[in-house]
Amino acid sequence: AQKITQTQPGMFVQEKEAVTLDCTYDTSDPSYGLFWYKQPSSGEMIFLIYQGSYDQQNATEGRYSLNFQKARKSANLVISASQLGDSAMYFCAMREAAQGIQGAQKLVFGQGTRLTINP
Amino acid sequence: EAQVTQNPRYLITVTGKKLTVTCSQNMNHEYMSWYRQDPGLGLRQIYYSMNVEVTDKGDVPEGYKVSRKEKRNFPLILESPSPNQTSLYFCASSFLAKNIQYFGAGTRLSVL
Repeated sequence: AQKITQTQPGMFVQEKEAVTLDCTYDTSDPSYGLFWYKQPSSGEMIFLIYQGSYDQQNATEGRYSLNFQKARKSANLVISASQLGDSAMYFCAMREAAQGIQGAQKLVFGQGTRLTINP
Repeated sequence: EAQVTQNPRYLITVTGKKLTVTCSQNMNHEYMSWYRQDPGLGLRQIYYSMNVEVTDKGDVPEGYKVSRKEKRNFPLILESPSPNQTSLYFCASSFLAKNIQYFGAGTRLSVL
């Protein structure tokens, strides 16, 4: 079963508009973390924002915010006032316990959403 | 500058020729991990390490080996590469607490 689901393969948004990238997750672990990464065309993976499962408030980092709805198991990324440089692939990921080593953790990634900002 | 360094960035090789992709981090992170990225599949974890001499398999470990003899280094070894290992590979590292992983620039491998 898919642990991280990103239902939007691609999105096109006008510059300066806000954009929401969807992410739903599936876990039975009460302690987990949710992440968003940006991958521009140059290929590197850039960490954007983190939300812990016990965090009471939604995470924010500059123009990025994470709309965390725990009961719905959703962790959508909101980018305010989009810019041309926001055009990239965006990945949602979840940290969960890994089998094997005691205390081990791993990141599970969704398939990504390609965001294109139009001028 | 805090960073994760992978080498080489690009590599073309032939089936069966052993190769090593190096990964080094200067942030004193305990946790290090290797991923491969393939179109439509996102990133999948190959191996991870919780600390020196502590490693375990991820989701797609077949055909790969790793070692963690020093905290800063976590090389990925392909003993006998095959064409289905053609992929984009990423090394990442983090502290264990939140496991916010920071990625290297990637290694694009082609196995002919």
